[in-house]
Amino acid sequence: NAGVTQTPKFRVLKTGQSMTLLCAQDMNHEYMYWYRQDPGMGLRLIHYSVGEGTTAKGEVPDGYNVSRLKKQNFLLGLESAAPSQTSVYFCASSYGTDTGELFFGEGSRLTVL
Amino acid sequence: AQKVTQAQTEISVVEKEDVTLDCVYETRDTTYYLFWYKQPPSGELVFLIRRNSFDEQNEISGRYSWNFQKSTSSFNFTITASQVVDSAVYFCAPGGPLIFGSGTRLLVRP
Repeated sequence: NAGVTQTPKFRVLKTGQSMTLLCAQDMNHEYMYWYRQDPGMGLRLIHYSVGEGTTAKGEVPDGYNVSRLKKQNFLLGLESAAPSQTSVYFCASSYGTDTGELFFGEGSRLTVL
Repeated sequence: AQKVTQAQTEISVVEKEDVTLDCVYETRDTTYYLFWYKQPPSGELVFLIRRNSFDEQNEISGRYSWNFQKSTSSFNFTITASQVVDSAVYFCAPGGPLIFGSGTRLLVRP
């Protein structure tokens, strides 16, 4: 099984450009999450979804949008990238919000110049 | 949990030493789950353990053990006889996926 797959793995953007990160999971999980990881700050939740067609804000949602049109996919969009969004982004999925362990993708390193 | 603190930013030990990683949290919930994850130098994030707040029994898995104390809101992680392969960043996540600690970087030297 592929588990959780993120694309792309690396991307360099210029300030103001837009892009979409794609997360796909093949475990039939209801719950999906997007995190960003910055040095010394651990993982911070951006947005999450508790099922197809639903999304909710996490700790640091500003500057990002998400969509969950299909159960297996969770998209993270940056409409106008800023240097502060330079980070490593992780997608994860789980059976439950607070009961199930997270299965993570390999991460996507985004640099905004 | 509403807040989680991993006060130890970095720990360096010599192989075969025992090491404990601390995790303290604040929560208004009466029932919840607690998690630990490992991030080795390769960068992936790996689940280590899940405990529920009903059960305060210590958990042992090989060289790893976890001590959960609800009275002090702590969920500490001990590695016995550490090995170089244990070098990683370890994250505590009490209450599930919504909040993670800032992580403790463990370096095990040969």
